Amino acid sequence: QSVLTQAPSASGTPGQRVTISCSGSSSNIGSNTVNWYQQLPGTAPKLLIYTNNQRPSGVPDRFSGSKSGTSASLAISGLQSGDEADYYCATWDDSLNGVVFGGGTKLSVL
Amino acid sequence: QVQLQESGPGLVKPSETLSLTCTVSGGSISSYHWSWIRQPPGKGLEWIGCFYYSGSTNYNPSLKSRITMSVDTSKSQLSLKLSSVAAADTAVYYCARASSRDYYGMDVWGHGTTVTVSS
Repeated sequence: QSVLTQAPSASGTPGQRVTISCSGSSSNIGSNTVNWYQQLPGTAPKLLIYTNNQRPSGVPDRFSGSKSGTSASLAISGLQSGDEADYYCATWDDSLNGVVFGGGTKLSVL
Repeated sequence: QVQLQESGPGLVKPSETLSLTCTVSGGSISSYHWSWIRQPPGKGLEWIGCFYYSGSTNYNPSLKSRITMSVDTSKSQLSLKLSSVAAADTAVYYCARASSRDYYGMDVWGHGTTVTVSS
């Protein structure tokens, strides 16, 4: 049971816009920044969005992040087949005094 | 740019101590914080703990009693020791460059090393 809640799966068709949500509480998302990771099959996770809505160099602007209260979202526009991956949200938890991850959302491009 | 490479035994017997190493290249190990994360087969990510450049550590409460993290600056290596392992510790173990309170996330990851706990 993950501290942060994500839907286990999401899907979309090429070109579509999809949103992946991450729900937490006042001790984690509510008081800390949220980061998102993309894990392509068989590879290590890659930082996709940091500090709620910032993109590391090289990440296309099709990927965007937002945070409101105790929830955060990752939006992917212009969906591509190469976006099929697992997506994880993560943040600091003040109660646990450590990093917590969501359970991950598996994105399928139909 | 900073690159990370994990290494370890691959197979560990139950009740033994798992020892992993993460070699840092392309940057100073003393200038950053470093985290270990693991991923059991078919499951999600679990943060294990962090070694801060100050020399302090912070461990996942669920693993705290079994974890030791350290840094060997002369070899530019991070070390993770997990004692009394069981089948539930079977996972891919990653090291990553970290940030304080995860403010900026973990921006550089190793490829991971697979550890199987079995007799």
